[in-house]
Amino acid sequence: GAGVSQTPSNKVTEKGKYVELRCDPISGHTALYWYRQSLGQGPEFLIYFQGTGAADDSGLPNDRFFAVRPEGSVSTLKIQRTERGDSAVYLCASSPAKGETQYFGPGTRLLVL
Amino acid sequence: SQQGEEDPQALSIQEGENATMNCSYKTSINNLQWYRQNSGRGLVHLILIRSNEREKHSGRLRVTLDTSKKSSSLLITASRAADTASYFCATSTSGTYKYIFGTGTRLKVLA
Repeated sequence: GAGVSQTPSNKVTEKGKYVELRCDPISGHTALYWYRQSLGQGPEFLIYFQGTGAADDSGLPNDRFFAVRPEGSVSTLKIQRTERGDSAVYLCASSPAKGETQYFGPGTRLLVL
Repeated sequence: SQQGEEDPQALSIQEGENATMNCSYKTSINNLQWYRQNSGRGLVHLILIRSNEREKHSGRLRVTLDTSKKSSSLLITASRAADTASYFCATSTSGTYKYIFGTGTRLKVLA
């Protein structure tokens, strides 16, 4: 079956702009995770959804970052007033249930100029 | 805060040799997962080991978990050039389901 997909694969934006990153999880997976990865580093946890609700958003760096998953499937990560330091690869993963194997998408590479 | 720390940071071996990488963590965990990443994009899941398990195998991969030492190891036997990648461990602290990744081990297998 289809894996986790993320769109766009690359996004270039200017400082101060708003961006939305989309994640389509594997069908039926109830848990969905967002991570951010900078060059040479491991993925950094941002937020985790169980169904439609954010079960843990403790990794969101500040209030410019927000994520939704309104129907318990597709999720959107929203970044307002982007800064150059937001440049990174944003990874999404889904799993059949919390605490189970996570399946990662290919990521969205965000570059803020 | 960093939970998992892999060592070594980088490892270079000849094809056919075994590669061992280690992961240490700080708190009690639900489970620990190992991932491989090529070219800085998507991660591929390798093995999940639960806190009540001590060893798991998958093909040429063997993972051990020592909860008393808060550490895990990943052994790749008979390595191949295609095993060249970064390897990460990820842990979820007991009572939560968010995963914290380490900084990874960069493995290079020379043909």
